[in-house]
Amino acid sequence: QVQLVQSGAEVKKPGASVKVSCKTSGYTFINYYMHWVRQAPGQGLEWMGIINPSGGSTTYAQKFEGRVIMTRDTSTSTLYMELSSLRSEDTAVYYCARARPNYYDFWGQGTLVTVSS
Amino acid sequence: DIVMTQSPDSLAVSLGERATINCKSSQSILYSSNNENYLAWYQQKLGQPPKLLIYWASTRESGVPDRFSGSGSGTDFTLTISSLQAEDVAVYYCQQYYSTPHSFGQGTKLEIK
Repeated sequence: QVQLVQSGAEVKKPGASVKVSCKTSGYTFINYYMHWVRQAPGQGLEWMGIINPSGGSTTYAQKFEGRVIMTRDTSTSTLYMELSSLRSEDTAVYYCARARPNYYDFWGQGTLVTVSS
Repeated sequence: DIVMTQSPDSLAVSLGERATINCKSSQSILYSSNNENYLAWYQQKLGQPPKLLIYWASTRESGVPDRFSGSGSGTDFTLTISSLQAEDVAVYYCQQYYSTPHSFGQGTKLEIK
Protein backbone atom coordinates (compact mmCIF):
# COMPACT_ATOMS: atom_id res chain seq x y z
CA GLN A 1 0.00 0.00 0.00
CA VAL A 2 1.09 3.55 -0.68
CA GLN A 3 2.75 5.23 2.30
CA LEU A 4 4.30 8.65 2.76
CA VAL A 5 6.11 8.85 6.09
CA GLN A 6 7.46 12.21 7.12
CA SER A 7 10.18 13.13 9.58
CA GLY A 8 9.43 14.27 13.10
CA ALA A 9 8.61 17.65 14.57
CA GLU A 10 11.27 20.35 14.60
CA VAL A 11 11.87 23.46 16.66
CA LYS A 12 14.04 26.09 15.03
CA LYS A 13 15.22 29.59 15.84
CA PRO A 14 14.50 32.51 13.53
CA GLY A 15 17.00 32.66 10.69
CA ALA A 16 17.73 28.94 10.79
CA SER A 17 16.89 26.30 8.17
CA VAL A 18 14.82 23.14 8.39
CA LYS A 19 14.85 20.05 6.20
CA VAL A 20 11.75 17.83 6.19
CA SER A 21 11.82 14.37 4.67
CA CYS A 22 9.07 12.30 3.09
CA LYS A 23 9.89 8.61 2.68
CA THR A 24 7.68 6.84 0.17
CA SER A 25 6.82 3.20 -0.36
CA GLY A 26 4.23 1.04 -2.09
CA TYR A 27 4.54 2.51 -5.58
CA THR A 28 7.07 3.34 -8.29
CA PHE A 29 8.81 6.42 -6.91
CA ILE A 30 9.76 8.10 -10.18
CA ASN A 31 6.28 7.82 -11.70
CA TYR A 32 4.53 10.37 -9.50
CA TYR A 33 5.27 14.03 -8.92
CA MET A 34 5.22 15.21 -5.32
CA HIS A 35 3.84 18.44 -3.96
CA TRP A 36 4.61 20.20 -0.70
CA VAL A 37 1.80 22.00 1.12
CA ARG A 38 1.85 23.76 4.47
CA GLN A 39 -0.78 24.70 7.02
CA ALA A 40 -0.23 27.32 9.70
CA PRO A 41 -1.98 26.69 13.03
CA GLY A 42 -5.73 27.04 12.60
CA GLN A 43 -5.31 28.18 9.00
CA GLY A 44 -5.89 26.82 5.50
CA LEU A 45 -3.69 24.97 3.05
CA GLU A 46 -0.89 26.71 1.16
CA TRP A 47 0.87 25.22 -1.87
CA MET A 48 4.65 25.52 -1.75
CA GLY A 49 5.87 23.71 -4.83
CA ILE A 50 6.27 20.51 -6.80
CA ILE A 51 9.13 18.18 -7.66
CA ASN A 52 9.45 15.60 -10.41
CA PRO A 53 11.15 12.65 -8.70
CA SER A 54 12.34 11.32 -12.03
CA GLY A 55 14.54 14.20 -13.16
CA GLY A 56 14.45 16.35 -10.05
CA SER A 57 12.96 19.40 -11.75
CA THR A 58 11.04 21.73 -9.50
CA THR A 59 8.52 24.56 -9.56
CA TYR A 60 8.14 26.72 -6.49
CA ALA A 61 5.48 29.17 -5.41
CA GLN A 62 6.79 32.67 -5.95
CA LYS A 63 6.34 33.36 -2.26
CA PHE A 64 9.02 30.80 -1.41
CA GLU A 65 11.43 31.35 -4.31
CA GLY A 66 14.95 31.75 -2.98
CA ARG A 67 14.10 30.20 0.39
CA VAL A 68 12.93 26.69 -0.51
CA ILE A 69 14.74 23.78 -2.09
CA MET A 70 13.01 20.52 -2.94
CA THR A 71 15.16 17.49 -3.68
CA ARG A 72 14.87 13.75 -3.91
CA ASP A 73 16.94 10.63 -3.38
CA THR A 74 15.90 7.93 -5.80
CA SER A 75 18.00 5.29 -4.01
CA THR A 76 15.83 5.58 -0.90
CA SER A 77 12.58 6.83 -2.51
CA THR A 78 12.70 9.86 -0.26
CA LEU A 79 11.90 13.48 -0.93
CA TYR A 80 13.13 16.50 0.97
CA MET A 81 11.93 20.05 1.47
CA GLU A 82 14.38 22.55 2.92
CA LEU A 83 13.21 25.99 3.98
CA SER A 84 15.75 28.60 5.01
CA SER A 85 15.74 32.01 6.73
CA LEU A 86 12.93 30.83 8.95
CA ARG A 87 10.65 33.34 10.63
CA SER A 88 7.79 32.95 13.06
CA GLU A 89 5.27 33.00 10.20
CA ASP A 90 6.79 29.74 8.93
CA THR A 91 5.45 27.89 11.96
CA ALA A 92 3.20 25.32 10.35
CA VAL A 93 2.55 21.69 9.58
CA TYR A 94 4.31 20.74 6.35
CA TYR A 95 2.86 17.99 4.17
CA CYS A 96 4.10 16.06 1.19
CA ALA A 97 1.32 14.98 -1.16
CA ARG A 98 1.50 12.67 -4.16
CA ALA A 99 0.14 13.90 -7.49
CA ARG A 100 -2.00 11.52 -9.57
CA PRO A 101 -1.16 13.15 -11.86
CA ASN A 102 -2.57 16.55 -10.88
CA TYR A 103 -4.79 16.15 -7.80
CA TYR A 104 -3.30 14.81 -4.56
CA ASP A 105 -4.28 11.24 -3.75
CA PHE A 106 -1.97 10.42 -0.84
CA TRP A 107 -0.64 12.72 1.87
CA GLY A 108 2.07 12.32 4.46
CA GLN A 109 1.10 12.59 8.10
CA GLY A 110 2.57 16.07 8.36
CA THR A 111 5.60 17.56 10.10
CA LEU A 112 5.19 20.38 12.60
CA VAL A 113 7.88 23.01 12.31
CA THR A 114 7.91 25.56 15.11
CA VAL A 115 9.97 28.71 14.72
CA SER A 116 10.61 30.40 18.03
CA SER A 117 13.39 32.28 19.72
CA ASP B 1 -2.75 33.38 -9.80
CA ILE B 2 -6.16 31.75 -9.46
CA VAL B 3 -8.05 32.61 -6.28
CA MET B 4 -10.47 30.08 -4.85
CA THR B 5 -13.29 31.35 -2.64
CA GLN B 6 -15.54 29.06 -0.64
CA SER B 7 -18.90 29.76 0.95
CA PRO B 8 -19.97 29.58 3.63
CA ASP B 9 -16.99 29.68 6.01
CA SER B 10 -18.90 27.45 8.42
CA LEU B 11 -22.03 25.38 8.26
CA ALA B 12 -24.14 23.50 10.81
CA VAL B 13 -26.43 20.80 9.50
CA SER B 14 -28.63 18.26 11.26
CA LEU B 15 -27.80 14.57 11.00
CA GLY B 16 -29.41 13.07 7.92
CA GLU B 17 -29.85 16.45 6.25
CA ARG B 18 -28.13 17.79 3.14
CA ALA B 19 -24.97 19.90 3.33
CA THR B 20 -23.88 22.10 0.43
CA ILE B 21 -20.56 23.87 0.09
CA ASN B 22 -19.78 26.25 -2.74
CA CYS B 23 -16.47 27.10 -4.37
CA LYS B 24 -15.76 29.81 -6.91
CA SER B 25 -12.58 30.29 -8.92
CA SER B 26 -11.36 33.68 -10.11
CA GLN B 27 -11.03 32.34 -13.64
CA SER B 28 -12.28 29.32 -15.52
CA ILE B 29 -10.56 26.05 -14.62
CA LEU B 30 -12.21 24.15 -17.45
CA TYR B 31 -9.52 22.90 -19.83
CA SER B 32 -11.00 23.04 -23.31
CA SER B 33 -8.79 20.36 -24.86
CA ASN B 34 -10.16 17.59 -22.64
CA ASN B 35 -13.32 19.27 -21.30
CA GLU B 36 -12.24 18.61 -17.72
CA ASN B 37 -12.58 20.92 -14.75
CA TYR B 38 -9.33 20.91 -12.79
CA LEU B 39 -10.95 20.97 -9.38
CA ALA B 40 -10.67 18.69 -6.36
CA TRP B 41 -12.36 18.53 -2.98
CA TYR B 42 -10.61 17.41 0.21
CA GLN B 43 -11.85 16.59 3.68
CA GLN B 44 -9.66 17.33 6.68
CA LYS B 45 -10.55 16.01 10.11
CA LEU B 46 -8.96 17.45 13.22
CA GLY B 47 -5.31 16.50 13.54
CA GLN B 48 -5.22 14.61 10.24
CA PRO B 49 -3.90 15.36 6.76
CA PRO B 50 -6.43 16.19 4.05
CA LYS B 51 -8.17 13.32 2.31
CA LEU B 52 -9.11 13.36 -1.37
CA LEU B 53 -12.88 13.12 -1.91
CA ILE B 54 -13.58 14.34 -5.45
CA TYR B 55 -11.43 15.12 -8.50
CA TRP B 56 -12.20 16.43 -11.98
CA ALA B 57 -14.97 18.32 -10.14
CA SER B 58 -17.32 15.34 -10.00
CA THR B 59 -15.39 12.04 -9.90
CA ARG B 60 -15.56 10.38 -6.52
CA GLU B 61 -12.33 8.87 -5.22
CA SER B 62 -12.36 5.13 -4.61
CA GLY B 63 -13.75 4.29 -1.19
CA VAL B 64 -15.52 7.61 -0.68
CA PRO B 65 -19.18 7.12 0.29
CA ASP B 66 -21.68 7.93 -2.43
CA ARG B 67 -23.38 10.54 -0.23
CA PHE B 68 -20.52 12.83 -1.35
CA SER B 69 -20.95 14.35 -4.78
CA GLY B 70 -19.38 17.20 -6.74
CA SER B 71 -20.82 19.34 -9.48
CA GLY B 72 -20.22 22.51 -11.43
CA SER B 73 -18.12 23.75 -14.31
CA GLY B 74 -16.05 26.71 -15.36
CA THR B 75 -15.83 28.87 -12.25
CA ASP B 76 -18.62 27.64 -9.98
CA PHE B 77 -18.56 24.35 -8.11
CA THR B 78 -20.45 22.58 -5.36
CA LEU B 79 -19.76 19.78 -2.93
CA THR B 80 -22.91 18.10 -1.64
CA ILE B 81 -23.27 15.65 1.21
CA SER B 82 -26.71 14.16 0.69
CA SER B 83 -27.32 12.85 4.20
CA LEU B 84 -24.94 14.12 6.86
CA GLN B 85 -23.34 11.56 9.14
CA ALA B 86 -21.53 12.25 12.40
CA GLU B 87 -18.20 11.21 10.86
CA ASP B 88 -18.52 13.95 8.23
CA VAL B 89 -17.64 16.66 10.75
CA ALA B 90 -14.52 18.21 9.23
CA VAL B 91 -13.15 21.13 7.27
CA TYR B 92 -13.65 20.88 3.52
CA TYR B 93 -11.35 22.48 0.96
CA CYS B 94 -11.68 22.94 -2.76
CA GLN B 95 -8.50 23.17 -4.84
CA GLN B 96 -7.69 24.08 -8.41
CA TYR B 97 -4.91 22.20 -10.15
CA TYR B 98 -5.36 23.96 -13.49
CA SER B 99 -2.20 26.01 -13.08
CA THR B 100 0.55 26.60 -10.58
CA PRO B 101 0.48 27.84 -7.94
CA HIS B 102 -2.18 25.31 -7.11
CA SER B 103 -4.55 27.14 -4.79
CA PHE B 104 -7.03 26.11 -2.16
CA GLY B 105 -10.18 27.70 -0.90
CA GLN B 106 -10.08 29.02 2.65
CA GLY B 107 -12.01 26.01 3.93
CA THR B 108 -15.54 25.39 5.17
CA LYS B 109 -16.03 24.04 8.67
CA LEU B 110 -18.92 21.58 8.80
CA GLU B 111 -20.56 20.83 12.14
CA ILE B 112 -23.61 19.02 13.43
CA LYS B 113 -26.59 21.17 14.36
